Amino acid sequence: AQKITQTQPGMFVQEKEAVTLDCTYDTSDQSYGLFWYKQPSSGEMIFLIYQGSYDEQNATEGRYSLNFQKARKSANLVISASQLGDSAMYFCAMREGAPYNFNKFYFGSGTKLNVKP
Amino acid sequence: DAGITQSPRHKVTETGTPVTLRCHQTENHRYMYWYRQDPGHGLRLIHYSYGVKDTDKGEVSDGYSVSRSKTEDFLLTLESATSSQTSVYFCAIGGSYEQYFGPGTRLTVT
Repeated sequence: AQKITQTQPGMFVQEKEAVTLDCTYDTSDQSYGLFWYKQPSSGEMIFLIYQGSYDEQNATEGRYSLNFQKARKSANLVISASQLGDSAMYFCAMREGAPYNFNKFYFGSGTKLNVKP
Repeated sequence: DAGITQSPRHKVTETGTPVTLRCHQTENHRYMYWYRQDPGHGLRLIHYSYGVKDTDKGEVSDGYSVSRSKTEDFLLTLESATSSQTSVYFCAIGGSYEQYFGPGTRLTVT
């Protein structure tokens, strides 16, 4: 079974509008972490946001927020006020296990976001 | 930016030849990872290391070996390259709350 599922291979959004990128995960661990990364066309992987499984509040970093719904095992990324520079591939990832041992990370297949002017 | 470099950045090689990719970090981080990125698959873990000379397999380790003789260097070797190993290879360092990635190596096996 897939650990991380991103069901939107590609999305378009109008500049200045908000967009939600979907991510669902599968784990039986109680302690885990969820991440979003951005990969622009230049190829580097840029860390955006982190949510721990025990965090009660949704994580926010500037225009990025993570909509964490634990019972549904979803960790959607919300980008507010989209900018042309947000056009990129976005990856959802999960760290399984508690954050004091070595952890493996699992990545989804990505969503390609295109922001239209 | 985390100090992670990868070499070479691009390589074209022939089927059956051995290839070694190098990852170098200046962060003195204990954990290092090698991933491959292919369209439709995201990033998949090949091997990882949790210390000098301590390595283990990831989910797609067949055909790859690794070595880590110093904290700062993590080498990935394709013992006999095949066309299915054409990919972009990323090295990463990190712990539980973040992973920082190198710039990637684009490998083409002809």
